[in-house]
Order: sequence, then structure tokens, then C-alpha cells
Amino acid sequence: LAKTTQPISMDSYEGQEVNITCSHNNIATNDYITWYQQFPSQGPRFIIQGYKTKVTNEVASLFIPADRKSSTLSLPRVSLSDTAVYYCLVGVRGADGLTFGKGTHLIIQP
Amino acid sequence: NAGVTQTPKFQVLKTGQSMTLQCAQDMNHEYMSWYRQDPGMGLRLIHYSVGAGITDQGEVPNGYNVSRSTTEDFPLRLLSAAPSQTSVYFCASRSVREGQETQYFGPGTRLLVL
Repeated sequence: LAKTTQPISMDSYEGQEVNITCSHNNIATNDYITWYQQFPSQGPRFIIQGYKTKVTNEVASLFIPADRKSSTLSLPRVSLSDTAVYYCLVGVRGADGLTFGKGTHLIIQP
Repeated sequence: NAGVTQTPKFQVLKTGQSMTLQCAQDMNHEYMSWYRQDPGMGLRLIHYSVGAGITDQGEVPNGYNVSRSTTEDFPLRLLSAAPSQTSVYFCASRSVREGQETQYFGPGTRLLVL
């Protein structure tokens, strides 16, 4: 399984765009990149998944460069409610035993 | 759909006691898993199952047993609780559909072992 590296924490302000980068230098050809969000006292929630280039949904965008050795989760115009831990996972779609790292603790201030 | 449900929400055990954490999903997902999350840490995989009758160990399986007799249920058993098992336990099920894989997590069970 590809190892991922994310910043431990980030701060931003309401209304700003936040970009969280995840490094995965040993990503394999069949691996996908998936991001989850976790609020305190809740289980993680799926945000977005991608393989290459750019993926966008109603919540976020995911940018993946051509070499796929990193990816960036972009949250547009964040609010206080976006304060959470964000996890980057890399693995084959449908693989067994995917694990979560420590994630990035994003704190949004007024 | 109720999604993934877990019971109990909270539990206090004494060292050496046994208990079963219940997990159920009504989405007909084949893959289910159990994670534990310690304060300030990410989720660590305990056990997982790819379908009824099939289970396998994850990253931290010691002290836990699982079984999968039906697609819907995936209980986690602590045979002899230890203080090191104090944690929040999350159950999840997974769908792979329309080119997207998604894990759905339950609300968690908070376990304190004294």
C-alpha cells in the first residue's frame, strides 16, 4: 500500500480557499486517491476520489498532477463548519485492508 | 436506509470482562471493517470482511475476534478487555459503484476499560 504524507495541521479563515496536499511518492498504477473528512465524535465521511487530473463535486475539488506522486484537496470558501480532520488514502479501488493515517487537522477561524 | 448502525454508543468495562460491539448495515455491502481510533490519532484497521463467512486481520487484530455470518452484521468481540483497548471503535461498510469506492462509517462506540 502506498504511504501518504500530509501536514499535521493547517489554519485558515472563513471565506478563504484551502488547499491540503498529500504526498504519495510510491503510488502504484492501479491506485486511486480518496479523501475523507472527520468531525469530532463522528465517523469519517467520504469527500472525493480521483485517479488523475481534476475531479470536482459539490463539496471539493481534487487536483492530481501527471506524475500522481501528490494530490491536493481544495475546499472553496471554507466556513467554520469545515473545521475537521481530513484524511488522504491511496490504494487500489476495492482493495482490502485500507488504512488511515493521522490526517490533517484543519482549523477555520472567523 | 439506516446506513451503518453501531451499538452500544458508550460502554465501561472492567479489565478481564468480555463484550461484543455490534455493527449492522442495510446497504447490502459485501465489505465491512472495524477500526479503532485513539485520542489524536488516525484510524487503525482491526479486522475486515469481504463477505459472509470471510474475515481477515488488519493492522491491530490482537485481543479482538470477529465473525461474519450474514451480509448485514459484523460483530467485534473483546474476549478479555484490557485498559489498552480503551478507544473509540468505528465500523464501516464499503460500496464500489459507478466507478467510485466509498466507505460508510457508523457513529462509533466509545469504550472505556478500567
